[in-house]
Amino acid sequence: NAGVTQTPKFQVLKTGQSMTLQCAQDMNHNSMYWYRQDPGMGLRLIYYSASEGTTDKGEVPNGYNVSRLNKREFSLRLESAAPSQTSVYFCASRPDLGVRVEQYFGPGTRLTVT
Amino acid sequence: GESVGLHLPTLSVQEGDNSIINCAYSNSASDYFIWYKQESGKGPQFIIDIRSNMDKRQGQRVTVLLNKTVKHLSLQIAATQPGDSAVYFCAEKNMRFGAGTRLTVKP
Repeated sequence: NAGVTQTPKFQVLKTGQSMTLQCAQDMNHNSMYWYRQDPGMGLRLIYYSASEGTTDKGEVPNGYNVSRLNKREFSLRLESAAPSQTSVYFCASRPDLGVRVEQYFGPGTRLTVT
Repeated sequence: GESVGLHLPTLSVQEGDNSIINCAYSNSASDYFIWYKQESGKGPQFIIDIRSNMDKRQGQRVTVLLNKTVKHLSLQIAATQPGDSAVYFCAEKNMRFGAGTRLTVKP
């Protein structure tokens, strides 16, 4: 049981390049999330998916797209990277609502856009 | 808009002392809160949660207190250890996170 995995761990892009961040979970969770973390700003929600086939915008969706490929996988795409997207990106999943609804986070992807 | 925030960005304590990390929220309808710990280079990890029908919840060496009147919650860590050094976040159910408090434990 690997939990939430993310690839790659590190990435450097030039302005205007595109890339996809991959996330997978093996806990059979319905809900998955993408956050970015900038120094001193905590985690901000980019997009989330409450179930396979659905996605919704979070607090800071501009410049990103997502795909919920299946129940396990939720990818985040930057079509044209900008320096403002330099950040650490975390994927998370959450079990269906129950007694505890905490999120399980992956190890993060550190992205630098030059 | 709604917000969740911590009072102090940094906290430094002596090993063995108790630590208290505070958090305030703005939405009086928020009914579920979670504390996370984030060690350097890792994703946040669940510590403890509390629902609005409770004032206090205890775990192993940690206690969370919730004051709904002033929309404030705190995380207390007893006998703080070097392994407790990390950034601590409070979050409410709808995935709003505070900015985090960096706890440093001095030996």
